[in-house]
Amino acid sequence: AQSVTQLGSHVSVSEGALVLLRCNYSSSVPPYLFWYVQYPNQGLQLLLKYTSAATLVKGINGFEAEFKKSETSFHLTKPSAHMSDAAEYFCAVTGTASKLTFGTGTRLQVTL
Amino acid sequence: DAGVIQSPRHEVTEMGQEVTLRCKPISGHDYLFWYRQTMMRGLELLIYFNNNVPIDDSGMPEDRFSAKMPNASFSTLKIQPSEPRDSAVYFCASSGRTVKAFFGQGTRLTVV
Repeated sequence: AQSVTQLGSHVSVSEGALVLLRCNYSSSVPPYLFWYVQYPNQGLQLLLKYTSAATLVKGINGFEAEFKKSETSFHLTKPSAHMSDAAEYFCAVTGTASKLTFGTGTRLQVTL
Repeated sequence: DAGVIQSPRHEVTEMGQEVTLRCKPISGHDYLFWYRQTMMRGLELLIYFNNNVPIDDSGMPEDRFSAKMPNASFSTLKIQPSEPRDSAVYFCASSGRTVKAFFGQGTRLTVV
């Protein structure tokens, strides 16, 4: 079975500041890990995915995430936040068969 | 490709009525997923299909919910009879061999 835990349901950062959204996973098999973003009244859009290749994964919009097996973590970062990054972010895990299990989401607020 | 297409985008219905949500996956994808999103429960996987065959329906909340996939390009999620607690956003997603799920825009269901 797989699960993910997202620490912090709300994160607020200033524009230009570092964004760090935390995700820890649990998986009985080598996991595939994902970050999705959801803008208001929209579906989920894939930001990036880890599939056992490079541990540092670069995604769209300047986001990246690092897979750390020893810490069972897959935190999402962006060096400099932009107002357009305000959205809800979901971490997800799957072991096989593309069956995604999502975290509870973190709402990112970006302030001036 | 137009992506995953869901209809309708919004549905308002009275308690006790039958509701049918529709999904057209991306052509060539062999997995199709139905998710429900609520404030209380977040994103829940209801059911998923592989090659039109239901694989796991353990997330379907009650017998009032049913899903079908008569062919590779169409799926329905039906609620009969509907109840106010079924109000949520229902997402359909599809994926192929890349283990990357693409989501539709969702159907916002309101049962009054």
